[in-house]
Amino acid sequence: DAKTTQPPSMDCAEGRAANLPCNHSTISGNEYVYWYRQIHSQGPQYIIHGLKNNETNEMASLIITEDRKSSTLILPHATLRDTAVYYCIVRGGGADGLTFGKGTHLIIQP
Amino acid sequence: SQTIHQWPATLVQPVGSPLSLECTVEGTSNPNLYWYRQAAGRGLQLLFYSVGIGQISSEVPQNLSASRPQDRQFILSSKKLLLSDSGFYLCAWSRAGLLAKNIQYFGAGTRLSVL
Repeated sequence: DAKTTQPPSMDCAEGRAANLPCNHSTISGNEYVYWYRQIHSQGPQYIIHGLKNNETNEMASLIITEDRKSSTLILPHATLRDTAVYYCIVRGGGADGLTFGKGTHLIIQP
Repeated sequence: SQTIHQWPATLVQPVGSPLSLECTVEGTSNPNLYWYRQAAGRGLQLLFYSVGIGQISSEVPQNLSASRPQDRQFILSSKKLLLSDSGFYLCAWSRAGLLAKNIQYFGAGTRLSVL
């Protein structure tokens, strides 16, 4: 799996868009970018994934640069319940497990 | 819809005692199954995964073992717990097949304290 780099922590005001960056400069052509989040004392929750194109679902948007070396997860209208550790994971689609780094601790401020 | 169950939610066990944590998935067949551990203040670490009944892959050498006696049942065991086995144990599942992109869905976890 390709290595990812994320800032250790970020703050965002409630109601604003939260933009979480991830660098993955060694990503290979068949690897996807996945985002999960873990709210304190809960299991991780899948958010979104993408290969080349930008993706959007009911939770978030994923913007992947054209060279695929970095991406940004966007939570369009952050709420206090979005406070969590967000993990960017780059890997192929095989059945083996996920490698979690330290992620970004996103704190939504009221 | 699919549901994943883990129990118990919390467990306190003495050093040297056995362990059995169970995970079951409903609403799908032939899932890939996973056990992860999160030690206090540390990241999630993959322990075992299984792509079918009786098929177990171990990621790290440790005091634990896993079994998959039925299609949707995954069990994590130990014969003798160590203090270092304390942590938050998470079970996860994903749909089989490359089209599923191995998106994993996690249970609520078991918080194990070994004293």
